Formats: sequence, structure tokens, C-alpha cells
Amino acid sequence: DTGVSQDPRHKITKRGQNVTFRCDPISEHNRLYWYRQTLGQGPEFLTYFQNEAQLEKSRLLSDRFSAERPKGSFSTLEIQRTEQGDSAMYLCASSPRVFGYQETQYFGPGTRLLVL
Amino acid sequence: KNQVEQSPQSLIILEGKNCTLQCNYTVSPFSNLRWYKQDTGRGPVSLTIMTFSENTKSNGRYTATLDADTKQSSLHITASQLSDSASYICVVSGGATNKLIFGTGTLLAVQP
Repeated sequence: DTGVSQDPRHKITKRGQNVTFRCDPISEHNRLYWYRQTLGQGPEFLTYFQNEAQLEKSRLLSDRFSAERPKGSFSTLEIQRTEQGDSAMYLCASSPRVFGYQETQYFGPGTRLLVL
Repeated sequence: KNQVEQSPQSLIILEGKNCTLQCNYTVSPFSNLRWYKQDTGRGPVSLTIMTFSENTKSNGRYTATLDADTKQSSLHITASQLSDSASYICVVSGGATNKLIFGTGTLLAVQP
């Protein structure tokens, strides 16, 4: 399978615990995005990387959230001191760098987080 | 404010019937518009992508239209199948940072 993969697919944690999610993009895609999606809503942008550089962060990404892409390949999203409001589906997407405006983002299956 | 609104919020149709989903946007400047299909518990999958110069684009039984003047798009599904049951999300790329702006989706249920 050469699509975007995410691990774990599901995570249940207690409030106050830290969690880390991993995303493996499609090989050679140099752009990687993280989104959060709550029930009945569309995905909301969190952050994006071009290679290893984190180029943009949403205001939704509080100081409890941190994302890395150390070697420009896989990425991790860590949430510290989780709160019940962090319960959501966390989606990762990757895209190749293309010129023009027809960049397509390919989404992973998501990690569903439930904070008790 | 850059926004993407979709209607209806949910829709139930019988297998074999056609349906049309609507998307209105207020994103400026506009770059492109995509329709994604998202199965329950899965990530979105791209169906179509259109720039301002394209009026229609098809992908099998899915046909998307775009009116850049009225800032409206529609997704028409022909001869629906049970596997079409999913959320359909309209996504507009544009604004000052050319970011993707997602609609809240239309939840489609196709019944036998």
C-alpha cells in the first residue's frame, strides 16, 4: 500500500496524559499537512511542512500541540496534557510539490482520539 | 471571511436515483475547488478538482460543476449505489495563503 498511513488508528487516553500520533506520507511527497476533524464538521487545518520545515501553524494549534518532521519523511503530532476537547479525528495529508494550483492532497485514514 | 457552505446537510435517496449536492463559497481570491468523498471513519478521497476556467468535470458517475461568477458548485451523482453512502466535502483553495478551506460536508445515505 503506497498511500498515506497513520498510526495508531484509534487512541483512548485519560485527561492530562500525553499522546503522539505518527504519519507516513506517500513516498517523495514533500508537503505534509495535519488537520483535525470533529464529528459533523469538515477538517480544520492545523499545520503543514514542506520537507522538514514547518511553514505554517494554525491558531488552533495551542502550545500543548507540537508537530515535527525531522527528516522530511514521516511526521509526528504530539498533544501534551490532553483535554476532553481534544477528542477528534486527526488527519494527515501529503502532496507533491507542483507548480500551478492543482496540488491534490492525499489523506490518510486518520487517528481517532478519545480523551476520557 | 473565507467560508464554504454546503447544502443539504444530509440527504437520503433510494439506490439508482440521482442527486445533486450544493456548495457556495466566499473565498477570495479563488484558486480551485475540489470535491472529496469521505467514508465513515476514513480520510477524504479526492473526486474532482476544478480551476476558475473549468465549468464541469466528471469522474465516473460523479459530475461537478463550477460557476465562478456566482461562486457556486454542485456535485451530481448519477444512478446512485449503496457504496455512495458517505460524506461529500467541498473544499476551496484560495485566500491570501492559498490554503484549503473545507465545507462541513453533506452526509449522503443511499438506501436499497
